[in-house]
Amino acid sequence: DTGVSQDPRHKITKRGQNVTFRCDPISEHNRLYWYRQTLGQGPEFLTYFQNEAQLEKSRLLSDRFSAERPKGSFSTLEIQRTEQGDSAMYLCASSLASGIYSNQPQHFGDGTRLSIL
Amino acid sequence: QKEVEQNSGPLSVPEGAIASLNCTYSDRGSQSFFWYRQYSGKSPELIMSIYSNGDKEDGRFTAQLNKASQYVSLLIRDSQPSDSATYLCAVRDNNNDMRFGAGTRLTVKP
Repeated sequence: DTGVSQDPRHKITKRGQNVTFRCDPISEHNRLYWYRQTLGQGPEFLTYFQNEAQLEKSRLLSDRFSAERPKGSFSTLEIQRTEQGDSAMYLCASSLASGIYSNQPQHFGDGTRLSIL
Repeated sequence: QKEVEQNSGPLSVPEGAIASLNCTYSDRGSQSFFWYRQYSGKSPELIMSIYSNGDKEDGRFTAQLNKASQYVSLLIRDSQPSDSATYLCAVRDNNNDMRFGAGTRLTVKP
């Protein structure tokens, strides 16, 4: 049973560059979430998908951020024109949500740590 | 306005003692409540989930929920140094959105 997988684990880039992260959820999970976490804070919701549909996007999310889940399996999160404030851990989580299983908890990947120079 | 609040700590307890972690939430319609453990530099790991008022026990962990007071807690009995971590309270509200507290840092001293 494989868990949530994220790639890369670490990304260091210069300010202004674009970066893309990948998340592979637990195979039977239809919901996929992206969070951002900075030091001393809990995960901050960014966006989530049910299957391939992006159902919600945080109001705080800049339009430099975009996420896709084209086939309802893996997802990518892209940040364009990165800024130093984008430095954080980007976490992906997945869950099963269907009918009576709507209360199932989210399981997290190991995250991608982004550092902007 | 914070939706899920936790005491940031650090909370320090001696080995073998009971650690008590508390969380309050603002959305009265919330239905699902979770405790995650996060070691430094690692991702959150689910410990407990609770959906009904009262206590739920799993090994050394007990989650307590009081929806009237909008309060959820986690007790860790016989605390071990390996329990030292940040504990995140998470609440799924009526819109099915998951909100996390900032976490309480627990240190268990040998």
